[in-house]
Amino acid sequence: TQLLEQSPQFLSIQEGENLTVYCNSSSVFSSLQWYRQEPGEGPVLLVTVVTGGEVKKLKRLTFQFGDARKDSSLHITAAQPGDTGLYLCAGREHNFNKFYFGSGTKLNVKP
Amino acid sequence: DSGVTQTPKHLITATGQRVTLRCSPRSGDLSVYWYQQSLDQGLQFLIQYYNGEERAKGNILERFSAQQFPDLHSELNLSSLELGDSALYFCASSVEASPADTQYFGPGTRLTVL
Repeated sequence: TQLLEQSPQFLSIQEGENLTVYCNSSSVFSSLQWYRQEPGEGPVLLVTVVTGGEVKKLKRLTFQFGDARKDSSLHITAAQPGDTGLYLCAGREHNFNKFYFGSGTKLNVKP
Repeated sequence: DSGVTQTPKHLITATGQRVTLRCSPRSGDLSVYWYQQSLDQGLQFLIQYYNGEERAKGNILERFSAQQFPDLHSELNLSSLELGDSALYFCASSVEASPADTQYFGPGTRLTVL
């Protein structure tokens, strides 16, 4: 059982479409991060959110941290083929300083 | 290039053997994290060191151990290897150990146990 559940697991869309990836948990996190990983490489950090209700925007990507700091979402507007990859959320557990990664969402954006 | 280096890039060994994976953090980073990524388990946090001291422990097996040396590089030792230990092992580093700290991941070591 994963502490962080991501949905959907797989997403295949056309260039120009919008999409949202969800990261949910019953645990409270002191911070939550989103990463993008390409095959054979390590994850690359996209954003860190710390405050409940926080919204961060990076160009076409919008990240939201839930008010209770238990869940998060990543919204991509007008997806491009370069957005293809594995998107991972990761939370630092509030009390024990451990990191937990979600199972990932594999995104494929077709030209 | 994240600035984190890991060696070796690939490692092929047999069951029952012992291997050592090495990680050099980014210059100035005091914290090192180890992760295991397998197809069925996803990315699992193993252990974190901060300035030579163990800071947090995740799902690390007793057959595995790690340490961080005075020069801040870290080694992950895997012993009595089993087929199921085949995975990508990532090291990450960060400046400190605070919740908002950015972790920079290395390229990983792919371990294959035959």
